[in-house]
Amino acid sequence: QQPVQSPQAVILREGEDAVINCSSSKALYSVHWYRQKHGEAPVFLMILLKGGEQKGHEKISASFNEKKQQSSLYLTASQLSYSGTYFCGTGSNDYKLSFGAGTTVTVRA
Amino acid sequence: EAGVVQSPRYKIIEKKQPVAFWCNPISGHNTLYWYLQNLGQGPELLIRYENEEAVDDSQLPKDRFSAERLKGVDSTLKIQPAELGDSAVYLCASSLDLASGIGNEQFFGPGTRLTVL
Repeated sequence: QQPVQSPQAVILREGEDAVINCSSSKALYSVHWYRQKHGEAPVFLMILLKGGEQKGHEKISASFNEKKQQSSLYLTASQLSYSGTYFCGTGSNDYKLSFGAGTTVTVRA
Repeated sequence: EAGVVQSPRYKIIEKKQPVAFWCNPISGHNTLYWYLQNLGQGPELLIRYENEEAVDDSQLPKDRFSAERLKGVDSTLKIQPAELGDSAVYLCASSLDLASGIGNEQFFGPGTRLTVL
């Protein structure tokens, strides 16, 4: 089942912070975060694994609450390059990633 | 390191025509995925391969879609005949192995944007 992302869209000024949330109804093994710019491939940002291991971008931070089956991606001191659509992908024991509908982030100067 | 390569990037066809998409994954990646992405939505898995074996094709509409991965490297996704509702972006992705597909990152290609008229 597809995870639910919120908000659907957010507009920021450079330097502002934002949080993107991802929630699943299934028990999760991992949460992946990707950013996609218009007309381009999704680009890997971060993976959070059950048990606390994280792999990813040094300047991106995220959290994973296994019990609540939720993850949050934190955009801190946003830059113009942060603009794009952010997708969470949730992995469970069927080796599938199910992606949310995305959160569109617009950073303005 | 070369990324995932897909071709063509764009394809416009009339309904009922056949179409094929090609994907070359990152060298050494055993697992290959085909996703469909509709406008404003996240990618949806169509099929995934472990080497040359299709280990999950439950979401592939088999009446009109087919896929193959010869020799466990390149892959082709075919639609015959195409319908108006097939207009979407078709993404290919690869990862090191099946189990790591949810424990390690998937690398996506740029996609093929299909328009069916």
